[in-house]
Amino acid sequence: GAGVSQSPSNKVTEKGKDVELRCDPISGHTALYWYRQSLGQGLEFLIYFQGNSAPDKSGLPSDRFSAERTGGSVSTLTIQRTQQEDSAVYLCASSPGGGRDTQYFGPGTRLTVL
Amino acid sequence: QKEVEQNSGPLSVPEGAIASLNCTYSDRVSQSFFWYRQYSGKSPELIMSIYSNGDKEDGRFTAQLNKASQYVSLLIRDSQPSDSATYLCAVRRGGNNRKLIWGLGTSLAVNP
Repeated sequence: GAGVSQSPSNKVTEKGKDVELRCDPISGHTALYWYRQSLGQGLEFLIYFQGNSAPDKSGLPSDRFSAERTGGSVSTLTIQRTQQEDSAVYLCASSPGGGRDTQYFGPGTRLTVL
Repeated sequence: QKEVEQNSGPLSVPEGAIASLNCTYSDRVSQSFFWYRQYSGKSPELIMSIYSNGDKEDGRFTAQLNKASQYVSLLIRDSQPSDSATYLCAVRRGGNNRKLIWGLGTSLAVNP
């Protein structure tokens, strides 16, 4: 079946602009995660959605970052007033839930803030 | 102390050798353990998951879990140049939050 998809694959924006990144999880997966990975660095957890529960936002680096998940499926990560340090690859992953925690990753969105 | 620790490497092994990658974790009640491979410029892909003490084999890969000593390892037999990548260890802690805690990864280079 289809895997996790993300769009756009690349995004170049100017400092101060807002950006929206989209994630389509695997159909039926109840958990969805956003990560950020800077060049040569590890995965930085941003936010986690599980079913209808309140999201775990503990990894969001500032109030410029927000995310929502509509209808338990598609998720959008929004970065307001982008800064150069926001440049990174943003990865989305989904997992089946119900005790199965394996995460399946999308191809990522490479964000460049000029 | 980081929650999940890995040697950053690079670990360099000759083709055909066994590569041994190690990961330690701090939460004694961690429940699920994962090894992912990440090629440069690509997203992580699952190699193996392990939940119980002991060994789990899948082809050339063997995961070993020792909860008493709080470590999980990955052995790659007959290493190939195509195994050259960064290997990420991930751990799910105990409790209701199902997010994974990630190590920073070990870079593996398999030399022809």
